[in-house]
Amino acid sequence: GAGVSQSPSNKVTEKGKDVELRCDPISGHTALYWYRQSLGQGLEFLIYFQGNSAPDKSGLPSDRFSAERTGGSVSTLTIQRTQQEDSAVYLCASSSRGGRQETQYFGPGTRLLVL
Amino acid sequence: ELKVEQNPLFLSMQEGKNYTIYCNYSTTSDRLYWYRQDPGKSLESLFVLLSNGAVKQEGRLMASLDTKARLSTLHITAAVHDLSATYFCAVDANAGGTSYGKLTFGQGTILTVHP
Repeated sequence: GAGVSQSPSNKVTEKGKDVELRCDPISGHTALYWYRQSLGQGLEFLIYFQGNSAPDKSGLPSDRFSAERTGGSVSTLTIQRTQQEDSAVYLCASSSRGGRQETQYFGPGTRLLVL
Repeated sequence: ELKVEQNPLFLSMQEGKNYTIYCNYSTTSDRLYWYRQDPGKSLESLFVLLSNGAVKQEGRLMASLDTKARLSTLHITAAVHDLSATYFCAVDANAGGTSYGKLTFGQGTILTVHP
């Protein structure tokens, strides 16, 4: 079956612009996660959605970052007024939450470059 | 704050040799994951370890978990070139009870297997 998909695969933007990154989780998965991977910071948790519960936003690095998940499926991560330090690969993952062995399945990522 | 440390960070091996990657973490958790990442690709799930003493094997890779020592190992047996990749361990930041799936990753171990 289809895995986690993300778009765009690459994004180049100018400092100060807003960007939107999209994630389509595996069908039927109720949990969705965003992570960021950069050379300096490694892999970092950003935000977590589970069903209709309030998202865990504890990993968002600043108030320029926000995310939403519509209809319990697709999620959009928005970065406002981008800065050069936002350049990274943004990874989305989903899990089924159907059992204790809750593997997170990762998408291919969006490579963001802020000039 | 949960810290996850891997060592070594770089590992150059000859084909046919054995080696172990170590993953130490700083707080109680009974859920540990190993992922593989090929250059330019996303994360592929290898193992999920859910209890003290858990051992899982797939091909030339074997992972174990010692929750008392807060240590997981990934053992490579008779390495082959196809195992060249970066390997990450990740720990669920919420210990026991209900997991929220907020993973904290190690720095990654870059494994290169030479003929």
